[in-house]
Amino acid sequence: QVHLQESGPGLVRPSETLSLTCSVSGDSISSTVSGGYYWSWVRQPPGKGLEWIGYIHYSGGTNFSPSLKSRLTMSVDTSNNRFSLKLTSLTAADTAVYYCGRGHCITTNCPLDSWGQGTLVTVSS
Amino acid sequence: AIQVTQSPSSLSASVGDRVTITCRTSQGVRDDLSWYLQRPGRAPKLLIYSASTLQSGVPSRFRGSGSGTEFALTISNLQPEDFGTYFCLQDNIYPYTFGPGTKLEIK
Repeated sequence: QVHLQESGPGLVRPSETLSLTCSVSGDSISSTVSGGYYWSWVRQPPGKGLEWIGYIHYSGGTNFSPSLKSRLTMSVDTSNNRFSLKLTSLTAADTAVYYCGRGHCITTNCPLDSWGQGTLVTVSS
Repeated sequence: AIQVTQSPSSLSASVGDRVTITCRTSQGVRDDLSWYLQRPGRAPKLLIYSASTLQSGVPSRFRGSGSGTEFALTISNLQPEDFGTYFCLQDNIYPYTFGPGTKLEIK
């Protein structure tokens, strides 16, 4: 059974860059099942709903939320079975629990069938 | 981006009850819609994908239906572990978008 675990700083200062890593165990990040998984990020501001951030495929292909695209990069480290997110120019609006997840594509849809436990990131000086 | 709405935003029910939550999208998404349950302090858990397919390990008291722009999640014989917040996700067109959630509380 796949297990995902986020890691990163709990507190980041405004205008700085957030770096988060999701370590995957129990499955290969390079798996070609269903054409390969879409390794994804979702965030949830305290007390609010879920926001899809984007995904990266093991091949390096990405797709990002237009609202974050200008500040966002993602990378995949197949050697260490993990993937990462970098979000620049942080503001208080980026304060949220960040989840990593596995998008498992069926046909044209890729529901998130496994999630990490989430990590709270607070943007504050 | 496709807008997703859910109703109701909250509801109270008792163990053993049957409840239905609806999800609407601003444009057709075929059957590319999934449902998730988030218990307090926990990560969301996939319940149903492709509108009506039960995720492995999810009890059969959960049933999804719908296509196009209108979808429903029906939970029969509510159990204590079913209480939490339910989200739908349109996973047809990027950017994926979640519904705002339906909080299901114990009466």
